[in-house]
Amino acid sequence: DAEITQSPRHKITETGRQVTLACHQTWNHNNMFWYRQDLGHGLRLIHYSYGVQDTNKGEVSDGYSVSRSNTEDLPLTLESAASSQTSVYFCASSESTGFGYTFGSGTRLTVV
Amino acid sequence: GQNIDQPTEMTATEGAIVQINCTYQTSGFNGLFWYQQHAGEAPTFLSYNVLDGLEEKGRFSSFLSRSKGYSYLLLKELQMKDSASYLCAVRGATSGTYKYIFGTGTRLKVLA
Repeated sequence: DAEITQSPRHKITETGRQVTLACHQTWNHNNMFWYRQDLGHGLRLIHYSYGVQDTNKGEVSDGYSVSRSNTEDLPLTLESAASSQTSVYFCASSESTGFGYTFGSGTRLTVV
Repeated sequence: GQNIDQPTEMTATEGAIVQINCTYQTSGFNGLFWYQQHAGEAPTFLSYNVLDGLEEKGRFSSFLSRSKGYSYLLLKELQMKDSASYLCAVRGATSGTYKYIFGTGTRLKVLA
């Protein structure tokens, strides 16, 4: 069965460290997205991609980067982790028709 | 600006009907989505409206009025398992746009 997986599920890191969160989907979807979810803010878009070699900034992209070298993967990198980046991160994918997202299970990141 | 408003919390009794409202102001409109999210889990797709009117799907229905920037999700015959957050999301109308803006979600508690 097709799926979208995120790893790790939980991570604790120190301020200033570089961290990469993985997202892998086997739906063969062109569109992939990274959101963060915080109390009182809902889901906020960090970065997104509409295909290989395409990346775009979302509303809260500062301090984050992504790369899209193949259809299946969109890793999210925190260049220098800050306590404000403690959050739950969700990866999602969708078909080019844009009908609905399929979400990964999320990564809970704590920056200490 | 772009804004999506939902009530923060609602409480209802098992077996009852509950209506969760969503109002939006976005730059363009190309579809409204409702997602269900249980605590500690990923959001899952519930419904999609792009034209005015009511879409029914079992115990769940969703209504859209584009002229009023308004939608609601109707849950009938409430069950305990319906206790979750319900997220309203809007997709903008820019050509080739597949990204959504999410509301902060409505936390629904179903009481026995």
